[in-house]
Amino acid sequence: DADVTQTPRNRITKTGKRIMLECSQTKGHDRMYWYRQDPGLGLRLIYYSFDVKDINKGEISDGYSVSRQAQAKFSLSLESAIPNQTALYFCATSDRTGGNEQFFGPGTRLTVL
Amino acid sequence: QQQVKQSPQSLIVQKGGISIINCAYENTAFDYFPWYQQFPGKGPALLIAIRPDVSEKKEGRFTISFNKSAKQFSLHIMDSQPGDSATYFCAASKGAGSYQLTFGKGTKLSVIP
Repeated sequence: DADVTQTPRNRITKTGKRIMLECSQTKGHDRMYWYRQDPGLGLRLIYYSFDVKDINKGEISDGYSVSRQAQAKFSLSLESAIPNQTALYFCATSDRTGGNEQFFGPGTRLTVL
Repeated sequence: QQQVKQSPQSLIVQKGGISIINCAYENTAFDYFPWYQQFPGKGPALLIAIRPDVSEKKEGRFTISFNKSAKQFSLHIMDSQPGDSATYFCAASKGAGSYQLTFGKGTKLSVIP
């Protein structure tokens, strides 16, 4: 039983299309994050949310938007996808009382043609 | 500005050997240094972490060595096994309960029989 789930797991889309990646968690954590992983570049933070009403930009937020629909759900949108947004996207969660550990979902592989 | 530099980018070790991955950081405010392990098709997962009040932390075959004056920390995998083949990321954050992890670019470890 996965504590952090992401849908879809794979997505191929075309330039200019709007895309939404979804993340759900059953860990009861208050904090949620979206990261992007590119080969040789590690993980870079796109957006993070401390609770439903608290959303913040990360290192590379341009071209992305997010929505925290509930404590357990955090969605990432690409309003108009472009090829350099082709990457592996990870959602993660953490608990403010649980230290710094972040728990990652399985990832969504996005290809923009 | 890359705040956490990780080397090498890739590493091949024979079964039973010692794998060593190094990281260096620039921000002296960092006070939490985790290592994440990522298998293909999976999200990263916390492997081991250290705070700067100790110079070494060991968990099974995995050891973090920390040098505060040099602003460096490293992961040692003793008796490396093929099942250890994965990508390893070092990271750093500042402040208790800090939300933001700064990741290194990753090291792909291959342990050959």
